[in-house]
Amino acid sequence: EIVMTQSPATLSLSPGERATLSCRASQSVGRNVAWYQQKRGQAPRLLIYRASNTATGIPARFSGSGSGTEFTLTISSLQSEDFVVYYCQQYNNWPPHTFGQGTKLEIK
Amino acid sequence: EVQLVESGGGLVQPGGSLRLSCAASGFIFSSYWMHWVRQTPGKGLVWVSHINSDGSTTNYADSVKGRFTVSRDNTKNTLYLQMNGLRAEDTAVYYCARATFEGDFDHWGQGTLVTVSS
Repeated sequence: EIVMTQSPATLSLSPGERATLSCRASQSVGRNVAWYQQKRGQAPRLLIYRASNTATGIPARFSGSGSGTEFTLTISSLQSEDFVVYYCQQYNNWPPHTFGQGTKLEIK
Repeated sequence: EVQLVESGGGLVQPGGSLRLSCAASGFIFSSYWMHWVRQTPGKGLVWVSHINSDGSTTNYADSVKGRFTVSRDNTKNTLYLQMNGLRAEDTAVYYCARATFEGDFDHWGQGTLVTVSS
């Protein structure tokens, strides 16, 4: 089973700042990584697929990069609604389709 | 508009059974693989099961294998998860999700809460 490890667990930043969230796979997953955003009490929402493709309707401040075992989600200028939880997921080697443990973005 | 609506959650005693449903609309249901993902309150996302578009292939997480069964009725645009032998550790919000042809999950239902407790 591929393990996805996200860092940091919690990231404290201020609105307007740039956020960089990391996700590491225990073995190569090519570019088959997605990023999801989850607001409290809501279902996850797809942000990024295939490592760097922005999903429909997602603001341009969200971007993804990486390949192999190292992946990054970048939020260029944080808005108040961005301070929620983010998950990465690999879908290269399955089952199972594994998720990271999440990064909580909090207001500093 | 794509919509996925789960139902069937509730309180059940250990060892009991529940069947979750996920009603799909706004897309050609029979063309898509579908997944179940669960989330323990306050914790992360855990993949549970998937089923291919015609229902001929299924897979399960080790933690539910032999106890849960995923199925679908493409004539009713509905996905199911039959859960038997429920344990306290199965307590979670269960989401159904649609997989794109790439493999990511582009639409999710709102979730249904399953609580296993005596």
